[in-house]
Formats: sequence, structure tokens, C-alpha cells
Amino acid sequence: EVMLLESGGNLVQTGASLRLSCAASGFTFHRHAMNWVRQAPGKGLEWVSVIGGRGDGTFYAESVKGRFIISRDNSQNMVYLQMYGLRVDDTAVYYCAKEYDAFESWGRGTLVTV
Amino acid sequence: QAGLTQPPSVSKGLGQTATLTCVGNVYNVGNEGAAWLQQNPGHPPKLLSYRSNKRPSEISERFYASRSGDTASLTIIGLQPEDEADYYCSAWDSSLSAWVFGGGTRLTVL
Repeated sequence: EVMLLESGGNLVQTGASLRLSCAASGFTFHRHAMNWVRQAPGKGLEWVSVIGGRGDGTFYAESVKGRFIISRDNSQNMVYLQMYGLRVDDTAVYYCAKEYDAFESWGRGTLVTV
Repeated sequence: QAGLTQPPSVSKGLGQTATLTCVGNVYNVGNEGAAWLQQNPGHPPKLLSYRSNKRPSEISERFYASRSGDTASLTIIGLQPEDEADYYCSAWDSSLSAWVFGGGTRLTVL
């Protein structure tokens, strides 16, 4: 069974930094791109970033480009989102999502409040 | 970033058929097709279909996805109370090198 468990969400001040983590299990981790998707309170889904299976190829939404960095550790089955210069409009539940032609599996999310 | 266009809400009666639409362009929906996700309040999204018409094995055959040009559709047959949820479409946009979402459609089952 695929399991994704996000952590690291917190209440922070504007301009602060935060690192989110996503622990993955139940699948061959290095074979899949991994994404971060966020959802502001009462709003729709917004894609944040993706990283290729071997850590090659990272892409970002324009809204976070230059402030967020996605990375992964395939030896630990972990994916991370390092966030800098947090703004009020970054407030959201951040989901980790496994990619297989689409967002195939999702974690339960972690709340970031700025 | 430009997103996909979905109607904000659709209402249909119990047992009826609902068709949700998602309009994109040649670089996203018109390219590799769209995926559909269902989200109930307080829960993460769940994948219903991908590449326009493929369905995960655990998803009911009542959910049927298709595509015509730059428009993707999700048809839900025989609406049940548990189908009341938010539905999102998504697609990879090759011109943006980014995933894009629709704004979501809230489906109400009357």
C-alpha cells in the first residue's frame, strides 16, 4: 500500500523559512517523480513543484520560483520542500503526491500558516 | 500561471447523470490529456482518471472520462449521495513546464 506522510508544517511569521518533509513507502520510490501541491483554506488545488525520480529535473510554479527548493533522498524515501521568504499567501495545506501519469497518490497534508 | 477552466458548480438529481467539463489548450489538455480528482471536505484528493480516459482499478465504472480536443469531460452515471464533492481536473502544460489545475467544480446531488 502506498503511504505518504507529510510533516513540518507550522505557524510562522512573514519572511520565515520552513522545511516540509514527506516520507514515502509502499512503492519503488526512485521510479517516480514526486510533487508538492498546496491548497489554501477554502480554495482550490495549486501545484507547487515536482522533482524527477532520480532528483533530475525540478520545476516550480511561478508563485514560488526562487523561494522554494524541492529535493529528495532516495536512500531514505524522502522528499522535501525548503521554503524561504514565506508570505501570507503561502498559507495552505501542503500535500505530497506521487506521480504516475497524474497525481496518483496523496498524503494527508501538513498545514503551513504564515 | 494559466490554469484550466471548470464551471464552479453543477447540481443534479439522485440517480441522474452529471457531466463536468475542463477546458484547456493545445499545450495541456489537448496534448497529453487530463486527469480528474475527487475531493471530499477535510480529505486529500483522490485520483479518478488519468490520460483522459484511463481509470484506476478501484474507481467505479460509474465514472467515465473522455476528451475532445482541448476539452476534457468527466461523466458520472447514476449519481449517489457520496458523489457530492469537489472535482478537479489537472494536466501537464508543456509550454509552462508545469502542472496546471482547474479551479474545481462543486457537484451537488439533489
